[in-house]
Amino acid sequence: GQQVMQIPQYQHVQEGEDFTTYCNSSTTLSNIQWYKQRPGGHPVFLIQLVKSGEVKKQKRLTFQFGEAKKNSSLHITATQTTDVGTYFCAGGNSGGSNYKLTFGKGTLLTVNP
Amino acid sequence: KAGVTQTPRYLIKTRGQQVTLSCSPISGHRSVSWYQQTPGQGLQFLFEYFSETQRNKGNFPGRFSGRQFSNSRSEMNVSTLELGDSALYLCASRGTGNSPLHFGNGTRLTVT
Repeated sequence: GQQVMQIPQYQHVQEGEDFTTYCNSSTTLSNIQWYKQRPGGHPVFLIQLVKSGEVKKQKRLTFQFGEAKKNSSLHITATQTTDVGTYFCAGGNSGGSNYKLTFGKGTLLTVNP
Repeated sequence: KAGVTQTPRYLIKTRGQQVTLSCSPISGHRSVSWYQQTPGQGLQFLFEYFSETQRNKGNFPGRFSGRQFSNSRSEMNVSTLELGDSALYLCASRGTGNSPLHFGNGTRLTVT
């Protein structure tokens, strides 16, 4: 079945440093979604990428979808303490009524002020 | 628009007991998915319901079951609880196609 690997599992940075998390799928994806879960909270949707090679930005966050639609990355520029949390990617298949999202295990980001 | 509502928020059960968790999706959402979250294991997919039918199922034993009602509300049941079932159980609803998931606050289940 479809597998989504996400690395690194943990990342600790100093405030102001950059951060990147990567996702790789064993199969071609129809779309990829990114979620953020703050400590003690629930995952919250950040963004969705659909097109091959797509790049989207949200303020200091940059999301990329690979040309082959099998990998994706989230890059945060100049991290802040508010960025703390676990970032999950979730890859979608193109199964129509059997559409299914497969989550990576997440990257826990901690930021030292 | 009200978000996804899960009840109860916390639950303590004893090994061998059974438990039922409830989820009310966002109004208009017909798809409800359940996930188990434990430290280090990320979000483990349990199952998805759409229009009262189970559409997808993860790799969990038969002790884990669910159902969905005509108003899209969903319940999840775990029978013969084991210590390893202690986890945060998250419910999420979504609209059609590849719409994003909207998660509830979860039910924290502790099995002693």
